[in-house]
Amino acid sequence: AQSVTQLGSHVSVSEGALVLLRCNYSSSVPPYLFWYVQYPNQGLQLLLKYTTGATLVKGINGFEAEFKKSETSFHLTKPSAHMSDAAEYFCAVSDMNGGFKTIFGAGTRLFVKA
Amino acid sequence: GAVVSQHPSWVICKSGTSVKIECRSLDFQATTMFWYRQFPKQSLMLMATSNEGSKATYEQGVEKDKFLINHASLTLSTLTVTSAHPEDSSFYICSARDPVNNYGYTFGSGTRLTVV
Repeated sequence: AQSVTQLGSHVSVSEGALVLLRCNYSSSVPPYLFWYVQYPNQGLQLLLKYTTGATLVKGINGFEAEFKKSETSFHLTKPSAHMSDAAEYFCAVSDMNGGFKTIFGAGTRLFVKA
Repeated sequence: GAVVSQHPSWVICKSGTSVKIECRSLDFQATTMFWYRQFPKQSLMLMATSNEGSKATYEQGVEKDKFLINHASLTLSTLTVTSAHPEDSSFYICSARDPVNNYGYTFGSGTRLTVV
């Protein structure tokens, strides 16, 4: 069965600092991997996704993530944090064996300090 | 990009009543939609997969008689919380597979249900 583990329920960075949100997955077949952002009382917005091809994927708002099969990881990064990046971030996985259902990690709350 | 509209955005109801939440795909057809539940400060838990023209597939532990799902058209899925109780209070979110953003899923804005 698929699963997603996000290390750190809370991450705090200073404005302008590097953002690193960690995600490890478990899947018996090549996975499709996603990062979503959620602002309070709102739905989810797709930041980026990995399906096939290039392992370094770029998304919106300056975020990127690298698929590392050997490490079963898909960590999210952004070189310079902005106050508006403060939100909840979810890593997710889906695969053909799972009927393409999306399974979410527990989420990481990102705080950005001025 | 594809848009999923969810309505209402929030609802308060009395215990014992039923509440219907609508999820519509705008400008695209969605043969499959997904319903999630999110408790405060927690992740999204998949409740069921809504299939157009057939019965929904429920995840283990989700009461199908409690959470009725109807997917009568290619653009509309509804979730009805029947005989609601305070423990049903939660944030409910639907999603549909985005035909443009390949393999991506577009989410509705969510419905905050409060049962008093």
